[in-house]
Amino acid sequence: AQSVSQHNHHVILSEAASLELGCNYSYGGTVNLFWYVQYPGQHLQLLLKYFSGDPLVKGIKGFEAEFIKSKFSFNLRKPSVQWSDTAEYFCAVEGNNAGNMLTFGGGTRLMVKP
Amino acid sequence: GAGVSQSPSNKVTEKGKDVELRCDPISGHTALYWYRQSLGQGLEFLIYFQGNSAPDKSGLPSDRFSAERTGGSVSTLTIQRTQQEDSAVYLCASSLERAGVAGYTFGSGTRLTVV
Repeated sequence: AQSVSQHNHHVILSEAASLELGCNYSYGGTVNLFWYVQYPGQHLQLLLKYFSGDPLVKGIKGFEAEFIKSKFSFNLRKPSVQWSDTAEYFCAVEGNNAGNMLTFGGGTRLMVKP
Repeated sequence: GAGVSQSPSNKVTEKGKDVELRCDPISGHTALYWYRQSLGQGLEFLIYFQGNSAPDKSGLPSDRFSAERTGGSVSTLTIQRTQQEDSAVYLCASSLERAGVAGYTFGSGTRLTVV
């Protein structure tokens, strides 16, 4: 079975600080990896995804994530956060032989102070 | 439709009653998923429908939970004899075949409160 761990449950940053949210997964085969974001009062939205090619993936709003296969990691980064980045962030993995559904991490609540 | 539509958006029910939650996926999306998001928890997979194949029910927490998808489109999640621990936001998502192609599109969820 696959699993996803997000080690930071709550993160508080000031505007312009750099962000890195950790995501580690366990699955022995080929994976597709995702980050979703849920802004306050809104539904989950896809932030970025990786399924092949360049392991450094760029998403919307200046976010990027790097797939490091040897570390089973897919950490999310942003060089300079804004107050509007306050949201909950979910990492998810889809294993190619794991029934086509996504397994999500527990989420990280990010609060950016203006 | 343009997005995944879920109804009702909020539901308060008494313990022991049955509830039905509805999901209308994006037209043409063959895959439909139900997840549950409890306070402070991540998203818990419940059930997955893909086309005309038998659904993957491996995430349903008990036999009080069931779901169906009629005509490859609308899906209904039914919870019988609701318990307080069933209180959560129930999320529906749809996708084109495999999630890896384009990811899921989520609905806004149904917030279920069992009192």
